[in-house]
Amino acid sequence: AQSVSQHNHHVILSEAASLELGCNYSYGGTVNLFWYVQYPGQHLQLLLKYFSGDPLVKGIKGFEAEFIKSKFSFNLRKPSVQWSDTAEYFCAVKRGGTASKLTFGTGTRLQVTL
Amino acid sequence: KAGVTQTPRYLIKTRGQQVTLSCSPISGHRSVSWYQQTPGQGLQFLFEYFSETQRNKGNFPGRFSGRQFSNSRSEMNVSTLELGDSALYLCASNEPTDTQYFGPGTRLTVL
Repeated sequence: AQSVSQHNHHVILSEAASLELGCNYSYGGTVNLFWYVQYPGQHLQLLLKYFSGDPLVKGIKGFEAEFIKSKFSFNLRKPSVQWSDTAEYFCAVKRGGTASKLTFGTGTRLQVTL
Repeated sequence: KAGVTQTPRYLIKTRGQQVTLSCSPISGHRSVSWYQQTPGQGLQFLFEYFSETQRNKGNFPGRFSGRQFSNSRSEMNVSTLELGDSALYLCASNEPTDTQYFGPGTRLTVL
């Protein structure tokens, strides 16, 4: 069965620090990849997505992610985090050619301190 | 463009009861997916509907069911509620490219 792993469960950073959150998936075929963010008390919002083409994708709020096919990874990065980035981040994978079913990782809780 | 709406936002039920949750997708989207979010199991796929037909189903018991209407609005139903059904139920409105946009969810508490 396809699985998605987010190895960092809870990350604490100071403002202006750089962020990298790991995401690995187990499916070997064509995949669509997503990062979602859930701010406290708010609904899931799409940060960025990768379908094909340039493996470095840019999203909203200064986030970017790099797809490395050989490593089955799609890590999320931000050069300088802000206090307002405090949230839970979810990586999600959709197998190509299937109906709209996302498999989510367990999430990473990011806490940014002032 | 209006986002995904879910009603009700909060619901309290007792064991054995049934519940119906509603989702209105983004205008023009014909596909809707449902997910269950719990602290222990995370986000799990329930089912997906496209043009009134269930196209995919997750690993949930038959007590969980859904349907979609001709206007793309969707409902999910949980019968014979159990304590473990307490969760945030999320509806996603799906673009043809399979990008999913989520609603605020319905928080169900089963007592």
